[in-house]
Amino acid sequence: GDSVTQMEGPVTLSEEAFLTINCTYTATGYPSLFWYVQYPGEGLQLLLKATKADDKGSNKGFEATYRKETTSFHLEKGSVQVSDSAVYFCALSEEGNNRLAFGKGNQVVVIP
Amino acid sequence: DAGITQSPRHKVTETGTPVTLRCHQTENHRYMYWYRQDPGHGLRLIHYSYGVKDTDKGEVSDGYSVSRSKTEDFLLTLESATSSQTSVYFCAIRGTSGGVTNTGELFFGEGSRLTVL
Repeated sequence: GDSVTQMEGPVTLSEEAFLTINCTYTATGYPSLFWYVQYPGEGLQLLLKATKADDKGSNKGFEATYRKETTSFHLEKGSVQVSDSAVYFCALSEEGNNRLAFGKGNQVVVIP
Repeated sequence: DAGITQSPRHKVTETGTPVTLRCHQTENHRYMYWYRQDPGHGLRLIHYSYGVKDTDKGEVSDGYSVSRSKTEDFLLTLESATSSQTSVYFCAIRGTSGGVTNTGELFFGEGSRLTVL
């Protein structure tokens, strides 16, 4: 079935550092890909999305490119801020499928 | 604001007692979901609904039932709560744009934290 794999473990980095969170997926068709963010004490909210190969999603300085050849959708930000501290989830949705499959999430902690 | 309200937001109960969590939406969306969030597991789908009285199981449905008697409310029931059901439960709806159901974009409630002693 469809699945999403995120890199293990929390990510701790200093303010203004470069952030990368890896996400790879397994799907039978042509899924849409998403990054969701969860701030402390809140529900998840959509950060960005891409619906076809080579699309780049971007929002709030974050970017991710849909790479069909490597089945990846890595999240990047060039200069993180303390306010970016949150849990980040990669997710996919197959066309015609009403469900969203989530990765396990990565806790990101940005230190001043 | 997607107009999603979860209740209760926090609940502590004892093993063996029934528990019902409510998700209420104000925007007439067709698709509604219940997820649970646990450390090391991310979000896992419990049940979802694609219309009034139309529901289906997710990947972790054992021990849970749902009901949707009207569009705006989606209830999650634990008939006999167990300690393994201690979790944070999130309701979500699938958004629409121009009358068309969006692919994948979900709007989440703020969660209901359930502790089963």
